[in-house]
Amino acid sequence: QVQLQESGPGLVKPSETLSLTCTVSGGSISSYYWSWIRQPPGKGLEWIGYIYYSGSTNYNPSLKSRVTISVDTSKRQFSLKLSSVTAADTAVYYCARAGSPEYCSSTSCFFDPWGQGTLVTVSS
Amino acid sequence: DIVMTQSPDSLAVSLGEKATIGCKSSQSVLYSSNNKNYLAWYQQKPGQPPKLLIYWASTRESGVPDRFSGSGSGTDFTLTISSLQAEDVAVYYCQQYYSTPDTFGQGTKLEIK
Repeated sequence: QVQLQESGPGLVKPSETLSLTCTVSGGSISSYYWSWIRQPPGKGLEWIGYIYYSGSTNYNPSLKSRVTISVDTSKRQFSLKLSSVTAADTAVYYCARAGSPEYCSSTSCFFDPWGQGTLVTVSS
Repeated sequence: DIVMTQSPDSLAVSLGEKATIGCKSSQSVLYSSNNKNYLAWYQQKPGQPPKLLIYWASTRESGVPDRFSGSGSGTDFTLTISSLQAEDVAVYYCQQYYSTPDTFGQGTKLEIK
């Protein structure tokens, strides 16, 4: 079955750019939406954005000015860049597959499966 | 944005008893064109990612035990665990995927009484 694995630095300095990659194994990256979601320690879930395998994106307006999500289908990877980070961006970052389009609304979907998550701490 | 509000924030239930978690959306998540509610439920155990339990408000994901069920329509939804097992201790989240941005409830922590 499809498995996802996040990778990237666990510590980022304030004002710098957070960069994470999600590698997809056990299935195709095509014909699905892929997403990043984060969870500050001890808190709830915040959706960051989607990317379709073709490259089209949809971002949370609250983060849109700082977020870029890209996809490399040849490597079966998609990536997150979040610029100008502050301590408020400290969180566990999850990558996830969104349901196939027939299960989704025109803009949004549920998430299954998820990666194990990676903690990114913003600190000098 | 659609605001999702869960109730209660925490819940303690005896083993074998029923657990009920509520989720209310600030606007309807029912698509009139197909009569489907774009509402999902997740279970998150400590140190693990969330796991999808239910989508379309009441469709159980493959492999999810049938003691988990979802109900409701429009703006009011319920997740029910018919007979609580020890392994059900977790935080439960609802999520609307009716419109962007996708939003989650604040979570309900379920414990054993």
